[in-house]
Amino acid sequence: AQSVTQLDSQVPVFEEAPVELRCNYSSSVSVYLFWYVQYPNQGLQLLLKYLSGSTLVKGINGFEAEFNKSQTSFHLRKPSVHISDTAEYFCAVSERSSYKLIFGSGTRLLVRP
Amino acid sequence: DAGVIQSPRHEVTEMGQEVTLRCKPISGHDYLFWYRQTMMRGLELLIYFNNNVPIDDSGMPEDRFSAKMPNASFSTLKIQPSEPRDSAVYFCASSFSDPSYNEQFFGPGTRLTVL
Repeated sequence: AQSVTQLDSQVPVFEEAPVELRCNYSSSVSVYLFWYVQYPNQGLQLLLKYLSGSTLVKGINGFEAEFNKSQTSFHLRKPSVHISDTAEYFCAVSERSSYKLIFGSGTRLLVRP
Repeated sequence: DAGVIQSPRHEVTEMGQEVTLRCKPISGHDYLFWYRQTMMRGLELLIYFNNNVPIDDSGMPEDRFSAKMPNASFSTLKIQPSEPRDSAVYFCASSFSDPSYNEQFFGPGTRLTVL
């Protein structure tokens, strides 16, 4: 069965500093990987996704993620964060034969001035 | 497009009452999902529909929960009778074509409090 682990429940960082949010997954088959962001009192919206091809994926708002098959990881990065990036970030996985998205527990990014 | 629309945004009810949550997906989307978000269990898929037909309801917690999609533009999630442990934020999401790799668009959610 698939599972997604986000080890960090909260990541505090100062404005303009770089950040990495970690995501590891387990699956016995090929998967698609996603990062979603949830701003306070809103639904989730897609940041980026990995389907195939280049392991470095660029998304909206300056975020990027790198797929590492050997380490079964899909870490999210941003070189310089803004106050407006404060939100909850969810990593998710779906198997190529399934329509189910399995979400991690989320990481709350707290950007301080 | 207005995006996925959910109503009500907030619902407070007493234990034992019936609760109905409503969702209007994005026009043209053929997949609809209902999720529940709690602090303890995170984001869980309850049920999803394809072309108005329920495909997988294995995430529905118990018989008190039911979902319908009478047409392509409307779905309901009903809890009867409601219990305090049902308190959560319920999200509806829709997707076009193959949702295994296509983006799911989420509504703003309904925050349910059962007293």
